[in-house]
Amino acid sequence: QVQLVESGGDVVQPGRSLRLSCAASGFTFSDYAMHWVRQAPGKGLEWVAAISFDGNNKYYADSVKGRLTISRDNSKNTLYLQMNSLRDEDTAVYYCANGRVRGNGPEFDYWGQGTLVTVSS
Amino acid sequence: QSVLTQPPSASGTPGQRVTISCSGSSSNIGSNSVYWFQQLPGTAPKLLIYSSNQWPSGVPDRFSGSKSGTSASLAISGLRSEDEADYYCAAWDNSLSAWVFGGGTQLTVL
Repeated sequence: QVQLVESGGDVVQPGRSLRLSCAASGFTFSDYAMHWVRQAPGKGLEWVAAISFDGNNKYYADSVKGRLTISRDNSKNTLYLQMNSLRDEDTAVYYCANGRVRGNGPEFDYWGQGTLVTVSS
Repeated sequence: QSVLTQPPSASGTPGQRVTISCSGSSSNIGSNSVYWFQQLPGTAPKLLIYSSNQWPSGVPDRFSGSKSGTSASLAISGLRSEDEADYYCAAWDNSLSAWVFGGGTQLTVL
């Protein structure tokens, strides 16, 4: 069955860096675009970034442009989110979710369990 | 301030039909498919509706979606206690080149 497992969440100081990972299994990872979505404590969902199936196209929310970088390693079936210059407002649970399969089909039908990033001095 | 506007709360009694609205603009809902998600407390979101009115496998047809112009709605018929959750709409925004979410609607089953 499809599984997405996030890891890498931690407590970090403002200005520091962190890398999140999302290990995928149960489907052909290299055929799917992927997303990162976050949720601050007690708040709603916020889309963060997306990457095409081949990694050639990347899209970001304005709130994270220039600080967060999405990437993938299809040989390892893993999605990444490199988080630099972290701010208090980046504190959230970060979820990975699937995108379309080679431009077709629904997005966001599989989600991981989330990993918590806390930015605090 | 979310790009898509949802009512913060909704409620209904068991068996009732409730609707949740999602208002956007020509650059998002007016041009693209709408997605709806259900989030139970402490869990990851679950896709309920995609392409404005399509169900993923396993989602009961008590949940239905519709879209008209720059607004969309999620209807839940035969309301059950287990439907008590937060509901979010989302769409791609052509102007922002980004996915945008509504602020979420907390549904209470009375």
